[in-house]
Amino acid sequence: GNSVTQMEGPVTLSEEAFLTINCTYTATGYPSLFWYVQYPGEGLQLLLKATKADDKGSNKGFEATYRKETTSFHLEKGSVQVSDSAVYFCALGSGSARQLTFGSGTQLTVLP
Amino acid sequence: DAGVIQSPRHEVTEMGQEVTLRCKPISGHNSLFWYRQTMMRGLELLIYFNNNVPIDDSGMPEDRFSAKMPNASFSTLKIQPSEPRDSAVYFCASSWDRVGETQYFGPGTRLLVL
Repeated sequence: GNSVTQMEGPVTLSEEAFLTINCTYTATGYPSLFWYVQYPGEGLQLLLKATKADDKGSNKGFEATYRKETTSFHLEKGSVQVSDSAVYFCALGSGSARQLTFGSGTQLTVLP
Repeated sequence: DAGVIQSPRHEVTEMGQEVTLRCKPISGHNSLFWYRQTMMRGLELLIYFNNNVPIDDSGMPEDRFSAKMPNASFSTLKIQPSEPRDSAVYFCASSWDRVGETQYFGPGTRLLVL
């Protein structure tokens, strides 16, 4: 079956530091991959997505590349801001099911 | 578009009471999902509908939980009777009916059962 494993948190960084949150997956076929972000007190929002191997999703300075050979979709940002403090979820959609499979989430705190 | 709308945003009730959560999906979306989020268990899929028909309810914790989707623009999740362990944030999400499609989440209902 499908599964997503993401880097356990919490992650605490100083402003302007480089961010990497690791995500690896197991899936049948060719999944679509997502990163969602959840700000305090809010629902999940799509941050970026990639639908095929070697695609790079990007948004708000965040990037992730769909690596089929390593079954990974790591999230990166070159310079984080305090406003990036949130919980980040890696997810995949694959097979005949319409539901997404989510990772456990990684709490990021950025200190000024 | 207004996005996915959920009501109420907050609910405080006493053990044994009936709780009804409501969701209006994005217009045109034909898949709808109910999730529960807690610190201990993270984000759990409870049930999802496709074209108003329940497809997979394997995540519904027990018979006290029920969900309906009487039409394409409205769904309810009901807990009867409620228990303190049902305290959580409940999210509704909707999407187009395609594999790997983006899901759009509502703001959630924060439920506290005393």
